[in-house]
Amino acid sequence: RKEVEQDPGPFNVPEGATVAFNCTYSNSASQSFFWYRQDCRKEPKLLMSVYSSGNEDGRFTAQLNRASQYISLLIRDSKLSDSATYLCVVNTSMNRDDKIIFGKGTRLHILP
Amino acid sequence: DTAVSQTPKYLVTQMGNDKSIKCEQNLGHDTMYWYKQDSKKFLKIMFSYNNKELIINETVPNRFSPKSPDKAHLNLHINSLELGDSAVYFCASSQEAGGGTEAFFGQGTRLTVV
Repeated sequence: RKEVEQDPGPFNVPEGATVAFNCTYSNSASQSFFWYRQDCRKEPKLLMSVYSSGNEDGRFTAQLNRASQYISLLIRDSKLSDSATYLCVVNTSMNRDDKIIFGKGTRLHILP
Repeated sequence: DTAVSQTPKYLVTQMGNDKSIKCEQNLGHDTMYWYKQDSKKFLKIMFSYNNKELIINETVPNRFSPKSPDKAHLNLHINSLELGDSAVYFCASSQEAGGGTEAFFGQGTRLTVV
């Protein structure tokens, strides 16, 4: 099983719709989780951290399910500017080995 | 102020050459990384340094040698470049492990080997 897995998409979603992505991880010792956004030919940028209790930032909601080892990202009322690749990131820290692992990303296209 | 800066942004070179990519962070972070993003857009970790000490060395050919003169810099030197080395290389930094450490990325270096 890969360390971090995501559905590569693309997800083609009409503007205004709600879309959700999942990401599974294999290491149960993983400690922190993030969603990054990467625009075409740009560097990844942090979208939001994922907290155990779930967290919301405007139209974006992130959730963590430790039992099933997955995280999710929900985007409500999607905008054209949400078109990007969304990268799931898992941080496992063991014995000073701070390993940040990226998923392959899920491509999202918001359609006008 | 650029938090993580890497140079050059574009690098075109011939097979067999030796090249270096420089990375500097002004965030005071202890940990720095090099990632390679291939044509399929997969970001794969190559190296991780914590306070100038190599922590992670994934299965990367010996032709790749990171060098960290101080904790704010992590340079990547590549010997005998091959066509398959063509990719975008991202430098990143984060606070030391302890959970909740997000990574900040440089803008990437697009390496093309011809």
